[in-house]
Amino acid sequence: ETGVTQTPRHLVMGMTNKKSLKCEQHLGHNAMYWYKQSAKKPLELMFVYNFKEQTENNSVPSRFSPECPNSSHLFLHLHTLQPEDSALYLCASSPEGLMNEKLFFGSGTQLSVL
Amino acid sequence: TQLLEQSPQFLSIQEGENLTVYCNSSSVFSSLQWYRQEPGEGPVLLVTVVTGGEVKKLKRLTFQFGDARKDSSLHITAAQPGDTGLYLCAGVDFGNEKLTFGTGTRLTIIP
Repeated sequence: ETGVTQTPRHLVMGMTNKKSLKCEQHLGHNAMYWYKQSAKKPLELMFVYNFKEQTENNSVPSRFSPECPNSSHLFLHLHTLQPEDSALYLCASSPEGLMNEKLFFGSGTQLSVL
Repeated sequence: TQLLEQSPQFLSIQEGENLTVYCNSSSVFSSLQWYRQEPGEGPVLLVTVVTGGEVKKLKRLTFQFGDARKDSSLHITAAQPGDTGLYLCAGVDFGNEKLTFGTGTRLTIIP
């Protein structure tokens, strides 16, 4: 248990569906992240939020829409996804959002787009 | 964007054997982290190294940071089935302070 909880653990959706991934951290951290983990590719940083403000968007397609209502919660809203978006989506948190900090990851949401 | 190559990509060995995995780049890191990711879970930090030539030990795991801070290695002594997992290195680029993950080594320890 890392203190970062992601739901759902598994998600299957069609290309026309709209769904949301949820992440919650109980560590009192100020920074939260979304990463994408695909087979045979390194972990890709998607979004960074620091004190609820988005500080990084790594050229992510607009069909992925993040939301951070407070420092403890992070969402990733999904709509009109493509099959190549199938991957493990990992949420992480860190104390201050500094690049050399330890990242605390959740268990991820395994997403399959049909 | 720097590329961190990890080798080997896959490694399967018998319990009790020793092994070394590598993380290499042409870029200089200000710090480097090693994570282990078990099946169905997120990565968990094992160690952070920050000084060129630094060696850190974590029980049977020995981490070394290259003198030039461009590479790192992880050596496991007397591997156990609990060591099975995906080992990821992640480096903070000295220039742009971005954290980049490596390609990963998937390790399987056979009982």
